[in-house]
Amino acid sequence: KQEVTQIPAALSVPEGENLVLNCSFTDSAIYNLQWFRQDPGKGLTSLLLIQSSQREQTSGRLNASLDKSSGRSTLYIAASQPGDSATYLCAVSDDNDMRFGAGTRLTVKP
Amino acid sequence: GAVVSQHPSWVICKSGTSVKIECRSLDFQATTMFWYRQFPKQSLMLMATSNEGSKATYEQGVEKDKFLINHASLTLSTLTVTSAHPEDSSFYICSATGGFNTGELFFGEGSRLTVL
Repeated sequence: KQEVTQIPAALSVPEGENLVLNCSFTDSAIYNLQWFRQDPGKGLTSLLLIQSSQREQTSGRLNASLDKSSGRSTLYIAASQPGDSATYLCAVSDDNDMRFGAGTRLTVKP
Repeated sequence: GAVVSQHPSWVICKSGTSVKIECRSLDFQATTMFWYRQFPKQSLMLMATSNEGSKATYEQGVEKDKFLINHASLTLSTLTVTSAHPEDSSFYICSATGGFNTGELFFGEGSRLTVL
């Protein structure tokens, strides 16, 4: 059964710093991996989707990488801003379902 | 991108009543919809998968008679929490896929249920 782990559980950084969020998964037979953002009390916003055949995706200040063989993905946020404060979730999909990590709660201090 | 709308965004009800939450795909046909619940500070837990026109597939431990899911059309799925109890209070989120080649899921805004 697929297990998804996110480290750290919480992260606090000053504004302007570059940061990396980590996601690991136990079964490398995935279809794709998605990174989401969740603001308190809100639904999920999809940030980046990486297909199993891809190594990375970029959108603005965000860059997500995927190393399927080692079961890892990272989300890199450049020049962090207070508006980036949220919980970031990664989720992996296989043929059957989608599994979420517990998330990393990010706080960017002005 | 594709849009999924969920309604209501929050609801408060008395113990013993039933509550219906709607999930709509606004600009695509959702062949499959998923329902999740989320407890505070925890990740999403998949409750069930529903395909249009067929019965939902429930995850282990989820009571199908308690959480009724209907996916009668390609743009609408509903989750009804029957005889709600305080322990059913949670954040419920739906997602949908239209069979896009990417396999991408699109999420609703979520519905916060509080049972008094």
